[in-house]
Amino acid sequence: GQSLEQPSEVTAVEGAIVQINCTYQTSGFYGLSWYQQHDGGAPTFLSYNALDGLEETGRFSSFLSRSDSYGYLLLQELQMKDSASYFCAVYGAAGNKLTFGGGTRVLVKP
Amino acid sequence: DAEITQSPRHKITETGRQVTLACHQTWNHNNMFWYRQDLGHGLRLIHYSYGVQDTNKGEVSDGYSVSRSNTEDLPLTLESAASSQTSVYFCASSEDGDSPLHFGNGTRLTVT
Repeated sequence: GQSLEQPSEVTAVEGAIVQINCTYQTSGFYGLSWYQQHDGGAPTFLSYNALDGLEETGRFSSFLSRSDSYGYLLLQELQMKDSASYFCAVYGAAGNKLTFGGGTRVLVKP
Repeated sequence: DAEITQSPRHKITETGRQVTLACHQTWNHNNMFWYRQDLGHGLRLIHYSYGVQDTNKGEVSDGYSVSRSNTEDLPLTLESAASSQTSVYFCASSEDGDSPLHFGNGTRLTVT
């Protein structure tokens, strides 16, 4: 089976940097994805790491260490619109289906 | 533009009734998935399909069924609705392999 752990909630102020950690246990591993979900909305894709290292997309970056079964999402220059839930998710042995973590609620304050 | 649509957006039903939630995608994706989302549990996989006539059970499949008769649609059926199935249901599709998931806007189901 697969399990993922991430913090339940993080609070930060506008302009700050937030790091959301994700540790996973899986019987096979293809890659780690991150999704964003605003209240009442659908999850939307943010990033995907299949190899070790840092992937940068604008203000958001995602990191993966396969040897440590660990990844993180880095949110920089936080804006009010970044208030949302963030989910890490793994592609396991089957490759084609995602298993999601419980989500981290990020609250950005003025 | 390609999209994935779910209907209805909201549904209230009674315990014991059969309910079907619709999911239609125009991405021409092979892979389709149904997840349920409950507070504290994130998104949990119910059923998934890798193509026409293919269906597979996810981690919380009891009490649910799906069928895939064409590429575009993957309806989710609750055979006999239970209060524990009150949840928000999301349908998603992906092209193949580890491609990103495209989610529908969800169906909020209440079983009374």
